[in-house]
Amino acid sequence: DAGVIQSPRHEVTEMGQEVTLRCKPISGHDYLFWYRQTMMRGLELLIYFNNNVPIDDSGMPEDRFSAKMPNASFSTLKIQPSEPRDSAVYFCASSLRGGLRGGTDTQYFGPGTRLTVL
Amino acid sequence: QQQVKQSPQSLIVQKGGISIINCAYENTAFDYFPWYQQFPGKGPALLIAIRPDVSEKKEGRFTISFNKSAKQFSLHIMDSQPGDSATYFCAATSTGNQFYFGTGTSLTVIP
Repeated sequence: DAGVIQSPRHEVTEMGQEVTLRCKPISGHDYLFWYRQTMMRGLELLIYFNNNVPIDDSGMPEDRFSAKMPNASFSTLKIQPSEPRDSAVYFCASSLRGGLRGGTDTQYFGPGTRLTVL
Repeated sequence: QQQVKQSPQSLIVQKGGISIINCAYENTAFDYFPWYQQFPGKGPALLIAIRPDVSEKKEGRFTISFNKSAKQFSLHIMDSQPGDSATYFCAATSTGNQFYFGTGTSLTVIP
């Protein structure tokens, strides 16, 4: 399996521009998570989906952020308009929550998208 | 409110020494406690995990010790190596719910 795939790996944009980050979870996983990582705040959960439905978006910082999961194999995180304080590494992760013992609760992280907003 | 509290923030250990990272939680509903390892420029990756029905789990040089009554768990890295230098995150969750991550520990192993 290719693991969680994120694109782009690096994004540099100017303040006010729209940014779209993309994620392809591991096939068969029914949970998808979006995280933001900064030196100051560490790893923050932004939103997560179960079976393509948003379950908890309380971590989304403000209305400029939105996330969608139109199908089981694709999700986007959009920032519009972007601001310099949005600069961070954004991770997507997926997991299979079968409630079984063993490693099925593991979250598998993608390589991340490093976003720089100038 | 931080659901999982992790310490120390940073740790420097001599090669061959023991690295110990501690985490504490409050929610007794948590039933799965993984540790993640993150190298610079990479995403976190699962290192080892434990469920509360056991007090210890060992995989190679990595051991999780779990104290259910104290609501604490720790990661021990025996015979620490320079290649272990990374950031380590503890986490906690219950089935069907989100993961709560600690703030991370930056480990540096000096040759």
